[in-house]
Amino acid sequence: GQQVMQIPQYQHVQEGEDFTTYCNSSTTLSNIQWYKQRPGGHPVFLIQLVKSGEVKKQKRLTFQFGEAKKNSSLHITATQTTDVGTYFCAGRVAYSGAGSYQLTFGKGTKLSVIP
Amino acid sequence: ETGVTQTPRHLVMGMTNKKSLKCEQHLGHNAMYWYKQSAKKPLELMFVYNFKEQTENNSVPSRFSPECPNSSHLFLHLHTLQPEDSALYLCASSQAEDGAYEQYFGPGTRLTVT
Repeated sequence: GQQVMQIPQYQHVQEGEDFTTYCNSSTTLSNIQWYKQRPGGHPVFLIQLVKSGEVKKQKRLTFQFGEAKKNSSLHITATQTTDVGTYFCAGRVAYSGAGSYQLTFGKGTKLSVIP
Repeated sequence: ETGVTQTPRHLVMGMTNKKSLKCEQHLGHNAMYWYKQSAKKPLELMFVYNFKEQTENNSVPSRFSPECPNSSHLFLHLHTLQPEDSALYLCASSQAEDGAYEQYFGPGTRLTVT
């Protein structure tokens, strides 16, 4: 079935270093969403990107949607211990005929920040 | 609080037990979801309901039986589970089930099957 691939699976960084997670799809995505799940918590919606080449920022977080709408990235500048958690991308993909879409989650990138 | 509640938060059950998980959303959404989260498959979609109608059953074993009596409530009935069914079960809701809107997740039920 349709998959949204996310890399890396794990990332360990020293506090203050930057972090990037990447999301890729073999087919064009209608939109892409990003979620964060803190340890012991549940996924929380961060942002949605819709337009080709779109870039959005939330403080130290920068989200990009590729020109072909097949890939996306989340970049965190100068990580802090509060950034610890798993970051999921979710792409809106067409399936089983015209007009049918569903949100498909990547497997997530687990970020550890060493103080 | 995200407006999506789940009970119980923790559940331990034997393989011969029957139990139910409950989810309630207070956001006026039309779509509700059950996900299974485990170390092997971080976010595995199980069922989707839209306006109380089931629109997706992701090849889930029949020992899991969903029920959606109205747009605000979603249940997951469990019977004769296996130890490998131990996981975090997350409920979510959104305005529509077509992926155009963000999903709001509940806190989850941590299930242990002994």
